[in-house]
Amino acid sequence: AQSVTQLGSHVSVSEGALVLLRCNYSSSVPPYLFWYVQYPNQGLQLLLKYTSAATLVKGINGFEAEFKKSETSFHLTKPSAHMSDAAEYFCAVSDSGTSGTYKYIFGTGTRLKVLA
Amino acid sequence: KAGVTQTPRYLIKTRGQQVTLSCSPISGHRSVSWYQQTPGQGLQFLFEYFSETQRNKGNFPGRFSGRQFSNSRSEMNVSTLELGDSALYLCASSLVTGGGNPYGYTFGSGTRLTVV
Repeated sequence: AQSVTQLGSHVSVSEGALVLLRCNYSSSVPPYLFWYVQYPNQGLQLLLKYTSAATLVKGINGFEAEFKKSETSFHLTKPSAHMSDAAEYFCAVSDSGTSGTYKYIFGTGTRLKVLA
Repeated sequence: KAGVTQTPRYLIKTRGQQVTLSCSPISGHRSVSWYQQTPGQGLQFLFEYFSETQRNKGNFPGRFSGRQFSNSRSEMNVSTLELGDSALYLCASSLVTGGGNPYGYTFGSGTRLTVV
């Protein structure tokens, strides 16, 4: 069965430090993978997506993620954290079509705290 | 171009009442999905509509229902409200439906429902 696991419900980093948010997926077929960000009392905003083109995907706000099939991972990184990056981040997976069955699953989210 | 619009932004209802939430998707998007977000359960899928047809449904009781109009606007209704229905209800629109969605979602800012 398709699933998404985000390791660490809370992550704290110092301003200027590397941000690494982990996401592992299980899918029976090559998936599409997404990262979303949610600021307080707002909806989710698409950060980046992997759709089987380049395995290293660059998104908005300086974030990027690398699709590693052998590790079934799609971790989100940013070289230098900024205070404005404090938010909740969600990984999501969509199967690449299985007889039209809807499969779009969100992880449980990781709340990122940036320390001054 | 206009984003996904959800109305109202905030709502307070009494137990036993019913409520209707509205969502206007991005122009050209025919898929509208609804999610319930709570601190304890995270993001939970309610249902998806595409071209006025419900394409998929999550594991929610029949008190939760929805519909989509010919202009792709969608409404969700919750009858006989319970305290546990207090949540942020998010609407998301997309170009396509079904398995294998490479486009991702555009979310609205949500409706914060409080049941007292």
